[in-house]
Amino acid sequence: ETGVTQSPTHLIKTRGQQVTLRCSSQSGHNTVSWYQQALGQGPQFIFQYYREEENGRGNFPPRFSGLQFPNYSSELNVNALELDDSALYLCASSQDPLGANVLTFGAGSRLTVL
Amino acid sequence: DQQVKQNSPSLSVQEGRISILNCDYTNSMFDYFLWYKKYPAEGPTFLISISSIKDKNEDGRFTVFLNKSAKHLSLHIVPSQPGDSAVYFCAASARRQKLVFGQGTRLTINP
Repeated sequence: ETGVTQSPTHLIKTRGQQVTLRCSSQSGHNTVSWYQQALGQGPQFIFQYYREEENGRGNFPPRFSGLQFPNYSSELNVNALELDDSALYLCASSQDPLGANVLTFGAGSRLTVL
Repeated sequence: DQQVKQNSPSLSVQEGRISILNCDYTNSMFDYFLWYKKYPAEGPTFLISISSIKDKNEDGRFTVFLNKSAKHLSLHIVPSQPGDSAVYFCAASARRQKLVFGQGTRLTINP
């Protein structure tokens, strides 16, 4: 059983650029959630995807967008990057959208915006 | 608006003793609570959970206590082992929707 894999593990961008982060969900999981973890903080919910549609969103602006593909993998896109977007981005998969207690997290993608 | 708070950024405990990690919440709609553990360069891993209909849940060395009237939960680790050194996150959800995390507590177990 493979876990959640994320790529890239680290990347550096400059203000105003765009970034795409990728996530492969755990085998058998059909729901993907994305979290942002700023330094010294806990993960903050960005949004969740289920059946290729957004299924809930946290307090993040529209320049944060996502996709889920038929194989349940997912992408997180951030446009017009700002310095405050520097963070660890965590992807988590689960067996269903209500399975809050069985989130399986990836190791994250660390984004630095200069 | 920090709905889940872990007021201790760090905690140091001697090996073999009890570790107690605390968490407070403000949203009375939360009905499910979880603890996650995170090692460096790894994603958080689920540790233990508790429903609001219970006040205690045990799993081996780990016990979570929930005090609904005080909106407080705690994680007890007995006995503490060096491998328990990690960052621990408290999280809560309402009707099993999105998880709201606390800021985390870094636990260090000293030999």
